[in-house]
Order: sequence, then C-alpha cells, then structure tokens
Amino acid sequence: GQNIDQPTEMTATEGAIVQINCTYQTSGFNGLFWYQQHAGEAPTFLSYNVLDGLEEKGRFSSFLSRSKGYSYLLLKELQMKDSASYLCAVLRNDYKLSFGAGTTVTVRA
Amino acid sequence: GAGVSQTPSNKVTEKGKYVELRCDPISGHTALYWYRQSLGQGPEFLIYFQGTGAADDSGLPNDRFFAVRPEGSVSTLKIQRTERGDSAVYLCASSTSERGAAFFGQGTRLTVV
Repeated sequence: GQNIDQPTEMTATEGAIVQINCTYQTSGFNGLFWYQQHAGEAPTFLSYNVLDGLEEKGRFSSFLSRSKGYSYLLLKELQMKDSASYLCAVLRNDYKLSFGAGTTVTVRA
Repeated sequence: GAGVSQTPSNKVTEKGKYVELRCDPISGHTALYWYRQSLGQGPEFLIYFQGTGAADDSGLPNDRFFAVRPEGSVSTLKIQRTERGDSAVYLCASSTSERGAAFFGQGTRLTVV
C-alpha cells in the first residue's frame, strides 16, 4: 500500500508564489505526477518527476527527493485562473497510479 | 480520437439497477485506468488495464464492480445492483505506456437514487 499526503487548502495573492508539498510512502516507486483539476472538470497533466531534482516548465516547477519521499509543486506569478485543486500522484513499480486527496489553491486579487 | 471520451456524461439510475460506463481511450494508448472520485477527494484507483488484460483490479470495491477491455481499446465499467454509495464521478484515463502520463476523460457522473 501507500500513503500520499498533501495539504488540504492553500490561499495566495495574485502574482505571488505558492509551494504545494507532497509526501509519500510507497512499496516501489516509478515516478511522481502533478495534475491540476478545476471544479467539475477532469484532471489535467502538469508534470512528471522520476529522478531527483527540479523540473521547470514555465510558471510551474516540480521537485522530487526520492530518498525523502517528498515532492513539491511551485506555482509562480499566480493568476486567478490557477485557482484549482492540485493532485499529487505516485506511480508504483507495478504501474499502479495512486492519487493524494488534492490541495485546493485559492488565488485572491 | 483526440482525447479520452467517456459516455454517458451523466447517468441517473435507481438503486438496484445495473449500469455500464464506457471509456474510449486515445488511439494507440495501451494503458487504461478507471478511477472513482467523490466531492473534495482525489481520484480513487479502481482498475488498470495493460492491453486487454486487467493488470491490477485491487481497487474494485466489491464483486458488484467489473470492467472489461476485450480488444485492448474501448473499456466498459459495469456495476451491478447499484447502491446509493456508488454515486460519484467515474474517471477513465489512458497513457501511451506504463510510464507515460495518464490523460483523463471528462468523467461520468453517476447518481443512484
């Protein structure tokens, strides 16, 4: 089995930076994904990390430390449209993809 | 197709009835996942197919739930004797390989009354 923990809610101001942490425990690891989900919509893929380090993609960056079972998603220059739920998902060695409960980010003007 | 397609988008059924939910993955994607999502929760894993075979069905909650993918493309999730607790959004996702990013359909919102 596995546990995936992330904060329930975060609030930030437009233009600011927010960091969403995710810790996990898993029997076998094959990568970590971050997804964005707007209310009433399907999750959309944001990033994938399988090696330690930082992956940058525009305003979004994702970091992974396999030894610590830790990842974070960094959202820079926040925009109102970034208000959504952000899901951390772990891919196991047997290719089962499991999700955390999600972090609801609210961006305020 | 261009994306993962799920039908119907909404389904209301009476308690005790049988329902089928369909998923049409992105063409060429060999891996297919079914998830269930309740309000305010992350997607809950149900079953994973690699090709035609169910590689992992450990998330199916009980024997009322069954899924097939007979030709390695379209998949159907079948729920027998539905209960009110089955009400949720059922999401399907596909990926190019076991390591690829999973792309989701819009989901089927199932309501059991």
